[in-house]
Amino acid sequence: EIVMTQSPATLSVSPGERAALSCRASQSISSSLAWFQQRPGQAPRLLIYGASTRATGIPARFSGSGSGTEFTLTISSLQSEDFAVYYCQHYYTWPPGTFGQGTKVEIK
Amino acid sequence: EVQLVESGGDLVQPGGSLRLSCSVSGFTFSSHALHWVRQAPGKGLEYVSGISSNGDSTFHADSVKGRFTISRDNSKNTLYLQMSSLRAEDTAVYYCVRSSAYFDYWGQGTLVTVSS
Repeated sequence: EIVMTQSPATLSVSPGERAALSCRASQSISSSLAWFQQRPGQAPRLLIYGASTRATGIPARFSGSGSGTEFTLTISSLQSEDFAVYYCQHYYTWPPGTFGQGTKVEIK
Repeated sequence: EVQLVESGGDLVQPGGSLRLSCSVSGFTFSSHALHWVRQAPGKGLEYVSGISSNGDSTFHADSVKGRFTISRDNSKNTLYLQMSSLRAEDTAVYYCVRSSAYFDYWGQGTLVTVSS
């Protein structure tokens, strides 16, 4: 089983600042990685797939990078609606695999 | 517009059974694999079960294997999760999710509470 590890668990950032979230896979998953955002009381929504492709309607301030085992989600200038929990998940195998434990982005 | 609407969540006693449904619209149901993902209160996302587009292949996480069964009815555009021998640790919001390799659309979830 491929294990996904996210860091940090919590990231405190001021509005307008940049945030970088990390996700590591226990073995290579090529670019088969997705990022999700979950706001309080809402269902998760897809942000990034293929490690770096933004999903439909996702603002350009969200970007993904990495391949193999190391991945990063960057939010270039945090807006109020971006304070949420972010999860990564691989889909290198079928069914799609486990999620990372999540990174909470909170207001500093 | 792609929509996935879960139903069937309820308060159930330990050892009881429940069937969740997910009614979908806005896409060709039989062309996509579908999944159930759950989230216990205050916790992260846990993958529960998945089923291929034609229903021939299914998968269940170890935590629910032998107790939960995923199925689909392509004539009714509906996904199901039959849950039995429910435990307190099964308490969670259950989400229905469509995949196109990756998880691209999520329902709003249905709450299952297992308590006496």
